Amino acid sequence: EAQVTQNPRYLITVTGKKLTVTCSQNMNHEYMSWYRQDPGLGLRQIYYSMNVEVTDKGDVPEGYKVSRKEKRNFPLILESPSPNQTSLYFCASSFVGRGETQYFGPGTRLLVL
Amino acid sequence: DAKTTQPNSMESNEEEPVHLPCNHSTISGTDYIHWYRQLPSQGPEYVIHGLTSNVNNRMASLAIAEDRKSSTLILHRATLRDAAVYYCIPSTQGGSEKLVFGKGTKLTVNP
Repeated sequence: EAQVTQNPRYLITVTGKKLTVTCSQNMNHEYMSWYRQDPGLGLRQIYYSMNVEVTDKGDVPEGYKVSRKEKRNFPLILESPSPNQTSLYFCASSFVGRGETQYFGPGTRLLVL
Repeated sequence: DAKTTQPNSMESNEEEPVHLPCNHSTISGTDYIHWYRQLPSQGPEYVIHGLTSNVNNRMASLAIAEDRKSSTLILHRATLRDAAVYYCIPSTQGGSEKLVFGKGTKLTVNP
């Protein structure tokens, strides 16, 4: 089944404790991205990647890192999480090209205490 | 980014058609019109997209105004599973670009 998977789905952590949220897709998509969703602010893009080893900042990259060493994986790294990073995170992927559609993961709900 | 205007909420009865409007008067001539929806506690899900002509797929139909300044997503027979927030998103590529999600329309389906 074609899908985007994220792990963990739920995470409670404390300020400053490094964490990684994994994202994996099995559709051979070149493009992958991360969004966060907050009440009243909607979905905002954090980082994106056009292909392996090619990443760039989205609208809200502060406090986050990403890497794209393999085509299928695009982990989101919070090196020193803070309470303002408490949010719902979504990973998305697609082929590159006009008219393509994006596939989203099920989401990771993060609470930073 | 083209600005979109959608009703905050709409209500429908099960098995009745639903027409969800979107105004995108500043859309570029080459932008696609994408519709995504987000069911409760799930990630956004692609519904349909079009450029100029009306489009149909197994989930819905998309009617695009001749001047492309507005479009309407049509669910032919709403089910309880169609209760979600529906987003209308003009986009240059569709894939491989940031999708700008507005506030969308929250659709409630009554049994």
